[in-house]
Amino acid sequence: NAGVTQTPKFQVLKTGQSMTLQCAQDMNHNSMYWYRQDPGMGLRLIYYSASEGTTDKGEVPNGYNVSRLNKREFSLRLESAAPSQTSVYFCASENKSSYNSPLHFGNGTRLTVT
Amino acid sequence: DQQVKQNSPSLSVQEGRISILNCDYTNSMFDYFLWYKKYPAEGPTFLISISSIKDKNEDGRFTVFLNKSAKHLSLHIVPSQPGDSAVYFCAASSNFNFGNEKLTFGTGTRLTIIP
Repeated sequence: NAGVTQTPKFQVLKTGQSMTLQCAQDMNHNSMYWYRQDPGMGLRLIYYSASEGTTDKGEVPNGYNVSRLNKREFSLRLESAAPSQTSVYFCASENKSSYNSPLHFGNGTRLTVT
Repeated sequence: DQQVKQNSPSLSVQEGRISILNCDYTNSMFDYFLWYKKYPAEGPTFLISISSIKDKNEDGRFTVFLNKSAKHLSLHIVPSQPGDSAVYFCAASSNFNFGNEKLTFGTGTRLTIIP
């Protein structure tokens, strides 16, 4: 049982390049999330999708777009990467059928923008 | 504005002793609190949670204490084991939200257990 799978694990981009971070979960969860983790900042929510077909902005959405392709997959796109987007990105999912169900995280994508 | 604060970036504890990780929050609307544990090159994993209707929740070696008046929670690990070496994130949410989109994380504390 893979849980939440993120690809790629590592990526180096030049400023202005674009890329898509992929995320898939096999737990039949309704909700999916994208976080970024920066030193001294904890985990901050970029975008989330409460259910298939819906997406909403989180705390730090600027410079990102998302697509909830189907129930399993939730991708994060950087259209024009900036050095400030150097970070570790985590995808997470949860079963929203109960209050306060815990998040299940992928292993992260480490992105460096030069 | 950091609503959830973990003021100790790191903590070292001898194996077998008690590890105490602290977390403070400022938002009085928070009423559900969680701890996540993160190993290097892995995503965070859920460890233990507590609702504001309780002041203590225990799961094996892990106990979380909540002091609502002080807006403070702590995670106790007894006895500490080498496998407990990880970064621990405190997180808080309001039960008004049926989901995690309003979950606020602290900055994390790196716990090192010394053999």
